Formats: sequence, structure tokens, C-alpha cells
Amino acid sequence: RKEVEQDPGPFNVPEGATVAFNCTYSNSASQSFFWYRQDCRKEPKLLMSVYSSGNEDGRFTAQLNRASQYISLLIRDSKLSDSATYLCVVLDSGGYQKVTFGIGTKLQVIP
Amino acid sequence: EAQVTQNPRYLITVTGKKLTVTCSQNMNHEYMSWYRQDPGLGLRQIYYSMNVEVTDKGDVPEGYKVSRKEKRNFPLILESPSPNQTSLYFCASSRQGTFYEQYFGPGTRLTVT
Repeated sequence: RKEVEQDPGPFNVPEGATVAFNCTYSNSASQSFFWYRQDCRKEPKLLMSVYSSGNEDGRFTAQLNRASQYISLLIRDSKLSDSATYLCVVLDSGGYQKVTFGIGTKLQVIP
Repeated sequence: EAQVTQNPRYLITVTGKKLTVTCSQNMNHEYMSWYRQDPGLGLRQIYYSMNVEVTDKGDVPEGYKVSRKEKRNFPLILESPSPNQTSLYFCASSRQGTFYEQYFGPGTRLTVT
């Protein structure tokens, strides 16, 4: 089983739709979780951190479910500019700061 | 402007010819890391450094070397490049801590023929 798994998509959604992505992780001791956004072959950029209590930033909501070992990203009222690949990132803290990226989920918002 | 720079941005080389990709950050970050990104495999960590003179292997270190003599620089060295090292490479930096944001460089597209 991969350490971090994501559905690569693509998810093709109409403008204004709500879309959700999930990401599962295998290490129950993982400490920190993030969603990054990557536009076509450009550098990834942090979208938001994922906290145990959930995290909302405008149209974006991130949730963490430790019991089932997954994180989710919800995008409401999708815009054309949301078209990108969304990377799930898991950090195992401690002496060895191991960072694991998922392969990303591609979102295409259609007019 | 806070940034991570990489050079070169594009490089085509031949098998066996040693090369170095430079990475520099101006944010006084302790943590720096190198990744390669390949289709279907995502970003994989090659090496990371938690501070000056402290480096360690990531998931795919074979065929690569790094050094961290200064806080701002973290070069990636390919002593004898091979075609399977053709990839998109990203350098990243961040502050230490439990929660942190990684800042990525613009990427270096390397082709080894």
C-alpha cells in the first residue's frame, strides 16, 4: 500500500460546482497534513494546512479524519482559476522529518 | 522578495557528464530539500538538510549527492548522470517546526541522453 494515496483524476466539473477530494495515508503516527496546489509543471504552493478541528479558507475547506486516516479538501463554487493539480502532503515529525507527497488530483473546471 | 532560486532551469546533458544544480534561498530557512517529480509517481524526496552540515537521504538518493556548507545554499550533484535521472527537479526550503510551509523553487527540467 502506498504511504499517501490520491485519485489522480482528472475531475472535470462545471463552474460553480462543489468538488471534494480525499487523500488516505498509511502511517497512523503522521503528525501534520497539508494541501498544496500545483499549476501545470510549475512549483507546488501551499494551499492550506489541515488541522484536527478542520480548516476553512474562503471557498476551501480541509478536514482530517484520524480514525480512518484520510484528509479531504472541499472546494465550493468552483472557478476556472481553480483548475490545477492538488497535492496531499503528509509529514512525519520527529528526528527525521519525512515529507511524503501524494501523486496529486487533477481538477479541470469547465465553463 | 522571499524566494528560492534554482539554476539552471533547463538542462540537456549526456550520460556520465557530471553536473550540479544550484539552489539558494533568502529566507534564512533551516530546512532544505530536493525532490524529483515524474509522471505517475509524484514528488519524491531525494535528500534533505535540517541545517548547515546536516544532510540525510530521502526516498530516492541513489545517484545524487548534496552538500550544505552555508545556510542559504543546497546544491544537488549528479556525479555520473544516467537517462533514468531525466526528471523535473524542485528544491524547497522551510523553517523548522511541527507545522511549516515549504517554499519551492521554480524547478529544473533535466534531460539526460
